[in-house]
Amino acid sequence: DAGVTQSPTHLIKTRGQQVTLRCSPKSGHDTVSWYQQALGQGPQFIFQYYEEEERQRGNFPDRFSGHQFPNYSSELNVNALLLGDSALYLCASSLGGQTGLYGYTFGSGTRLTVV
Amino acid sequence: QKEVEQNSGPLSVPEGAIASLNCTYSDRGSQSFFWYRQYSGKSPELIMFIYSNGDKEDGRFTAQLNKASQYVSLLIRDSQPSDSATYLCAAGEGGKLIFGQGTELSVKP
Repeated sequence: DAGVTQSPTHLIKTRGQQVTLRCSPKSGHDTVSWYQQALGQGPQFIFQYYEEEERQRGNFPDRFSGHQFPNYSSELNVNALLLGDSALYLCASSLGGQTGLYGYTFGSGTRLTVV
Repeated sequence: QKEVEQNSGPLSVPEGAIASLNCTYSDRGSQSFFWYRQYSGKSPELIMFIYSNGDKEDGRFTAQLNKASQYVSLLIRDSQPSDSATYLCAAGEGGKLIFGQGTELSVKP
């Protein structure tokens, strides 16, 4: 039973470029949430996708956008990259748009470095 | 702005000791709380969750919740060097988690 899978593992981009990160949820889960974790900080909620729609959004600019596909997988897109976007991007899956009482299972993350 | 605050650490304890990690939260409406462990360069892994006042034990780990004081803690008994990691406290808010900044724990042999 596959857990949450993310790709790529590492990525280096130049300021101003665009990047797409991918996530496949755990089998049986239908909700994908994305988090950004800067070095030395806790993860910060970016947004959540459920039923192919953005259901909740954290305090991130419109440069951050996403998509969920019918098979529940998801993409995170970041445009006009800034140095401050360098972080570990975490995908988490759950069921029914909720963390429930059991929290998330996180993927292994994508380490994005903007130079 | 709903917040979760943790002692930033680092917290250093000798092997075999009890490590105590603390967390406070600002939103009285928060109902569920989670402790994650994160090794350097890895993703967070769930250790425990708690949503009722009092203590919840799982092996060497005990989570404590006091909703009146808006306080959550994690005790690690018989600490091992393999417990050395950053511990993240999070509050559940509907479909998302609000994380603290993490407490780095170092267990010295």
